[in-house]
Amino acid sequence: DAGITQSPRHKVTETGTPVTLRCHQTENHRYMYWYRQDPGHGLRLIHYSYGVKDTDKGEVSDGYSVSRSKTEDFLLTLESATSSQTSVYFCAISESRGTMNTEAFFGQGTRLTVV
Amino acid sequence: QKEVEQNSGPLSVPEGAIASLNCTYSDRVSQSFFWYRQYSGKSPELIMSIYSNGDKEDGRFTAQLNKASQYVSLLIRDSQPSDSATYLCAVRYGGATNKLIFGTGTLLAVQP
Repeated sequence: DAGITQSPRHKVTETGTPVTLRCHQTENHRYMYWYRQDPGHGLRLIHYSYGVKDTDKGEVSDGYSVSRSKTEDFLLTLESATSSQTSVYFCAISESRGTMNTEAFFGQGTRLTVV
Repeated sequence: QKEVEQNSGPLSVPEGAIASLNCTYSDRVSQSFFWYRQYSGKSPELIMSIYSNGDKEDGRFTAQLNKASQYVSLLIRDSQPSDSATYLCAVRYGGATNKLIFGTGTLLAVQP
C-alpha cells in the first residue's frame, strides 16, 4: 500500500470554526490532490499541488485553502467551516516518469461533519 | 458540460455476464485515463490505466480508449458479486500540473 496518511480520520466541528486536514506521504511523490466526495457528485477536485509551494485550484475551491511547505505534507484548511462542507475528504498522490504519468493512490479519507 | 461524464447507474448485470461501463471526457489534450473501483465506505483503488488508443486487457478487465471520440470504457467479463461497487473514470490533463479529474461514478450491481 502507498504510504499515505490522512489525519484526523473523523472530525466534528462547529459552523464558523477553521479546520485543517493533513495529508502525509512517505513516497516522495511530486503531485498531491485534495478531493471531496458527496453522494451524486463523485470525487470533486478541491486543490492540487505539483511541487513544494506550487498549488492550483480545482473545481470546488471556494472556502478552502491549501499549503505545501515540504514534499511530504499537503494541508487543506477550511477557513470558516459551513454545513455545506460536511463531506468525506480524500487525499491522493501521484508521480510521473518521463512522459508517462502514473496512477494516483488514495489515503483512507477524512469524514468531516460541520454542525 | 462536465469535464468527465459517466452514467450514474445503477447498472445491474447477472453473475457471469459482461458489464460495460462508459465514460466521456471533454478536453482533447487529455493524456492519461484511469478506472478506479470504490467499495462503499472505502477509498478508490486503481483497476486499469490506459494511455493510447485501443484495448488493454488485464485478467477479466479490458479498458478501451478512443481519443477521436473522447471515449473510455471498461469491460468486466465473467462478472462476480464481489465486483459490485462504484466504478470511477479519471482523466489526467497534460502539462506540468497533472490535474486529475474524476467522473461521478457508475454503481455496478452484480446479481447472483
